[in-house]
Formats: sequence, structure tokens, C-alpha cells
Amino acid sequence: GAGVSQSPRYKVAKRGQDVALRCDPISGHVSLFWYQQALGQGPEFLTYFQNEAQLDKSGLPSDRFFAERPEGSVSTLKIQRTQQEDSAVYLCASTDVSYEQYFGPGTRLTVT
Amino acid sequence: AQSVTQLDSQVPVFEEAPVELRCNYSSSVSVYLFWYVQYPNQGLQLLLKYLSGSTLVKGINGFEAEFNKSQTSFHLRKPSVHISDTAEYFCAVTSKTSYDKVIFGPGTSLSVIP
Repeated sequence: GAGVSQSPRYKVAKRGQDVALRCDPISGHVSLFWYQQALGQGPEFLTYFQNEAQLDKSGLPSDRFFAERPEGSVSTLKIQRTQQEDSAVYLCASTDVSYEQYFGPGTRLTVT
Repeated sequence: AQSVTQLDSQVPVFEEAPVELRCNYSSSVSVYLFWYVQYPNQGLQLLLKYLSGSTLVKGINGFEAEFNKSQTSFHLRKPSVHISDTAEYFCAVTSKTSYDKVIFGPGTSLSVIP
């Protein structure tokens, strides 16, 4: 079956631009997570959804970051007024009840 | 809150030699433990997980890990590595008592030398 997909795979943005990153989780997976992975580091938690409810957004680094999942399936991570420090790979994961998180390939964001 | 330490940032090993990647965690509650592998330009793939039961867990690609509660460790081992095992390996932990937020370690880069 289809896994987690993310688009775009690569995004180059000029500093100050807004970007939107999309995640399509595995069908039927209730939980969805966003992570930020800087170069040479492990993924760091950003936010978590259970269905359409955003239960934890404690990892979002600033109020420029916003995530939504309005219908409990597809999710969008939006970054406003991008800064160079936002350059990273953004990973999305979905999970069922087995505690295994299924990761997408990520979106590599480069802010110039 | 949980945290994960991976003591070795880089591990070079010759092909067909054994390897151990070390992972220690810190938590005030019971945890589930995971090892993920990340190949270049790809997402993370689950190697194995410890939820309960036997402390020796076997995963894909011939890897195994042993949960040691007293030492708060979850080291990953493989008796004979292949070139294709070259990748980044991440240890991760999540609390049993909360939802599924996962905390990752900084990763260990395994390089298999032919």
C-alpha cells in the first residue's frame, strides 16, 4: 500500500517568503507528526495531531510556524517569513496503534 | 521528559565485521524504544522496537537490540555488516504513559569499509 508522501521534495525560498509543506499520511492513520531535521542531527518534534485536533505544538520554534489538518487526513506545515535558520528537512510521520511511526521522505527546505 | 544519548557520532567498520551502536536514554517513566535507519536522501525506516516482553529484540536486515533497564540502554548490534548497511542510525524513545511523541537521539553514522 501507499506510504506517507510529502510534497514538494525540495523547496528553495528566499528569505522572507512564505512556504507550505504538504503531508499525505497513510490512510486510516489517526496520528500525524511533524519533525524538523537539521543537517547532521536527529529529527526534532514540532507538532502532533490526533485526527484534526492539534494536541501538541510545543516544538514549533516560533509563531512563524503553523500547522493544520482540517479534515483529519492531509496536513500542511506553513512557515511565514522564512529565515535562514529554517533551512532543514521537514519530516512527516503517521502512526497506527502499534507505536511505529511511518515516515515520509521529507521536504528539504533551503532558505537563501 | 525523555532524552536519548548516542555516544558515537561516527562508527567505521570493515565489511563482515560485527558492530554495536550504543544508545542510552533518560526517563522518569516507562518507555518504548526504537531504532530507525536513514539512508541518504530518504526518510526514516524502522529497524526494530521494544514495547514489552523479551528484552532481546530482533529486527530487519539482521539487526538486534537488547533493552537493559538497569543501565537504561538499548544498544543495537549486528554480527556481520554489509556495505549496504552504511547509513545513519537513530535511537528513539517514547513514553508509555503519554501519547506518541518520540524523542530521537543525535544519530550515529555507520560507514562500512570494503
